[in-house]
Amino acid sequence: NAGVTQTPKFQVLKTGQSMTLQCAQDMNHNSMYWYRQDPGMGLRLIYYSASEGTTDKGEVPNGYNVSRLNKREFSLRLESAAPSQTSVYFCASSESTGTDTEAFFGQGTRLTVV
Amino acid sequence: SQQGEEDPQALSIQEGENATMNCSYKTSINNLQWYRQNSGRGLVHLILIRSNEREKHSGRLRVTLDTSKKSSSLLITASRAADTASYFCATDALDSNYQLIWGAGTKLIIKP
Repeated sequence: NAGVTQTPKFQVLKTGQSMTLQCAQDMNHNSMYWYRQDPGMGLRLIYYSASEGTTDKGEVPNGYNVSRLNKREFSLRLESAAPSQTSVYFCASSESTGTDTEAFFGQGTRLTVV
Repeated sequence: SQQGEEDPQALSIQEGENATMNCSYKTSINNLQWYRQNSGRGLVHLILIRSNEREKHSGRLRVTLDTSKKSSSLLITASRAADTASYFCATDALDSNYQLIWGAGTKLIIKP
C-alpha cells in the first residue's frame, strides 16, 4: 500500500529555473494539499484541492501554481524558482477537507534553490 | 499565521521515562490533532481530540485538551528509542476555511 508518493525526493535548482513536483495518492481521497516546511516553523499550506477539479490558495501561494490532474494526482509548479523557495515540500491527502479527518503525508521533497 | 505553538521546543529524556509536550493555540477550535515526524520522513497522524472532549487515549499516548486555557498536552508513557521524533499539533479554527494550522513542533530525543 503506497499511500502518498512524491517525486523527486531531492532537487537542486538555479534561480529562475522551473520545475514541477509530482504527487499521487492511491487511497481514493477527495482532498489533496501541498505544504512547505521550513526550520523552526510549522507546516504552511501552499495550495489545496478539496476535490477533483478544484484548487484553492492556502497561506503562502505566491510563486507557485498547482494542477489537480485527476483524483489521484496533484502537482505543484515553481515557474521561476527563488532562493526563498528553498524548503522541504510535503504533499498530503485526506478523505475530505474537514479538519476532523486524518491527513496522510508523502515523504517530502527537499528543494534547494541556489 | 501560527495558531499552535508547542512547548518545549526540544526535550531529551531517558528511555522508560514519560514525555510530555504541550500545545497552545490562539482562537477557538473544532478539534486538535497530533502528528509525529521521524527524521527525513513525512508526518504520521497520532490522535485527534474534539473540542467537546477533555481526554483521549491511544496505546501509550494520552492527549488532554483544555479549551478554557486554549491548550493541549501529549503524554507518551514508558518512552522507547523509537519514539525519537518531532511532534506537531495541528488545529483548525472556526473561521479557517477548513485549513489545518500547524505549530513548529517539539523535538523529542529518547536516550537509551
